[in-house]
Amino acid sequence: KNQVEQSPQSLIILEGKNCTLQCNYTVSPFSNLRWYKQDTGRGPVSLTIMTFSENTKSNGRYTATLDADTKQSSLHITASQLSDSASYICVVSGPFAGNMLTFGGGTRLMVKP
Amino acid sequence: GAVVSQHPSWVICKSGTSVKIECRSLDFQATTMFWYRQFPKQSLMLMATSNEGSKATYEQGVEKDKFLINHASLTLSTLTVTSAHPEDSSFYICSARPFGQTSNQPQHFGDGTRLSIL
Repeated sequence: KNQVEQSPQSLIILEGKNCTLQCNYTVSPFSNLRWYKQDTGRGPVSLTIMTFSENTKSNGRYTATLDADTKQSSLHITASQLSDSASYICVVSGPFAGNMLTFGGGTRLMVKP
Repeated sequence: GAVVSQHPSWVICKSGTSVKIECRSLDFQATTMFWYRQFPKQSLMLMATSNEGSKATYEQGVEKDKFLINHASLTLSTLTVTSAHPEDSSFYICSARPFGQTSNQPQHFGDGTRLSIL
């Protein structure tokens, strides 16, 4: 069964600090892994998308890594800001247009001043 | 960038009424749209896949007669919650895949519709 597990479920950090969110998956066949940010009451917004051959991808203060061998990914947030408070969702997809997305349960991040 | 618009963003109605939610792709054509439901503090759960000009494909456990989906054009899909009850209260989100897009490109999500049934 395709699964995506995220940890931690929730996290509280102080403004300016860094943090790393984890994602483990068992989706097969694998094509790409995406990280989304979802603000409360809003739809998810894409942060990064990585294919099998990519190990790291950055988007501003967000850096995602992917180890396709161990089926693990991380999202590192640098110099956190209050606006980073949101849920971060890891999503894995297969290679075909008909493949559904497998969603992780998300990590709820709260950045405090 | 690609924009997906949902309407309404928030609706409150009495038990037993039907509610229609619209999902529009504003600057691209979408042959496929997806409808998700999200309960508090949980991740998105796929309800159905909506294909333009054909019947929607529903996930296991989702009642097709209760959640009517219509995808009559390449830019509009609608989800109608029929005879809504309090347990149908949830956050409903749609996403769209632009025509011709590969699986390695992101889906674009709407901002969701919060449905509250009294």
